[in-house]
Amino acid sequence: GAGVSQTPSNKVTEKGKYVELRCDPISGHTALYWYRQSLGQGPEFLIYFQGTGAADDSGLPNDRFFAVRPEGSVSTLKIQRTERGDSAVYLCASSLGGAGQETQYFGPGTRLLVL
Amino acid sequence: GENVEQHPSTLSVQEGDSAVIKCTYSDSASNYFPWYKQELGKRPQLIIDIRSNVGEKKDQRIAVTLNKTAKHFSLHITETQPEDSAVYFCAAMTSGTYKYIFGTGTRLKVLA
Repeated sequence: GAGVSQTPSNKVTEKGKYVELRCDPISGHTALYWYRQSLGQGPEFLIYFQGTGAADDSGLPNDRFFAVRPEGSVSTLKIQRTERGDSAVYLCASSLGGAGQETQYFGPGTRLLVL
Repeated sequence: GENVEQHPSTLSVQEGDSAVIKCTYSDSASNYFPWYKQELGKRPQLIIDIRSNVGEKKDQRIAVTLNKTAKHFSLHITETQPEDSAVYFCAAMTSGTYKYIFGTGTRLKVLA
């Protein structure tokens, strides 16, 4: 079946602009996660959704970052007033039920470059 | 908070040799430990995982061992092949949370 998909694959923006990154999880997966991966580093947790609600947003770096999942499927990560330090690959993952000890399946990521 | 350390950062082996990557975690409540392989520009792909009630798990040429007392776990790849070349990440998940804490990655290069 189809895996996790993310759009766009690449995004170039200017400092101060607003960006939206989209994630389509595997059909039927109720848990969705966003991670950020900087060059040469492991993915860093940002936020976890169980259904429509953000169950854990402790990884969001500041209030410029926000994510939604209004219908419990597609999620959008929103970044306001982008800064050069936001440049990274943003990875989305999903898992079946969010019950813990579950495999998370990753999307290909969106490579964000802030000039 | 939870921290995962991974060593080595780079590893070169001759084709056919074994490769071992080690990770140490800080939270004794961690109970799930997946390993991901990430090729350049691609998504991380799960290759093997282990739960805290098991000491070792094997899948063909890949094995993972877990030492809960020492809080470390290791990935073992035997009979390495050039297609094993990639970056490997370990991760730990703490009971009651749903987020992975990843190590910093090991770049494995298998020399033909």
